[in-house]
Amino acid sequence: EAGVTQFPSHSVIEKGQTVTLRCDPISGHDNLYWYRRVMGKEIKFLLHFVKESKQDESGMPNNRFLAERTGGTYSTLKVQPAELEDSGVYFCASSQAALRSTDTQYFGPGTRLTVL
Amino acid sequence: SQKIEQNSEALNIQEGKTATLTCNYTNYSPAYLQWYRQDPGRGPVFLLLIRENEKEKRKERLKVTFDTTLKQSLFHITASQPADSATYLCALDMLDSNYQLIWGAGTKLIIKP
Repeated sequence: EAGVTQFPSHSVIEKGQTVTLRCDPISGHDNLYWYRRVMGKEIKFLLHFVKESKQDESGMPNNRFLAERTGGTYSTLKVQPAELEDSGVYFCASSQAALRSTDTQYFGPGTRLTVL
Repeated sequence: SQKIEQNSEALNIQEGKTATLTCNYTNYSPAYLQWYRQDPGRGPVFLLLIRENEKEKRKERLKVTFDTTLKQSLFHITASQPADSATYLCALDMLDSNYQLIWGAGTKLIIKP
């Protein structure tokens, strides 16, 4: 079974440009999460989808970030316009369970974003 | 707000010994506490989950303890092997928000042959 995949693995852009990150969750997983890890800091939650609906987007830094999950399958995270502080590793994770106690999240390898 | 402390310094352990990693939190206890392993260039991999009302959980060579009085979880790897070298992260599920995990910064574990 394929795991969570993310594309691209690396992205280097200039300040002010737009970048779109993609996440393909494990097939059949209704829950999809986006996280970000800034260099030297802990992983921070960005948002959570259940199917195509945003369940919790309280972790999104500002309105330059837009996440979508059309059709409840893959998800995209767009940053427009990118700022220097957006640099970091963006992780996507998916899970199947409806119960919190058994909700194992499976992570993708991450997209390393560098904004120059 | 909840803060999580994991030893930021790398932990060097001789192969065959038990490695013990610490996760301390500051505020009220989470409903669930999870431990993950992360290798360079990869995403975190779930290892164990322990509930607030559980003292200990085991899985093969792994053991997790949870002390809500001390606000601390310990993660043990017995008979450690060089392949256990990685960064280990703890994450708290407070059950007061929608599936949001609060993460520690992780501790790098190095097992020397």
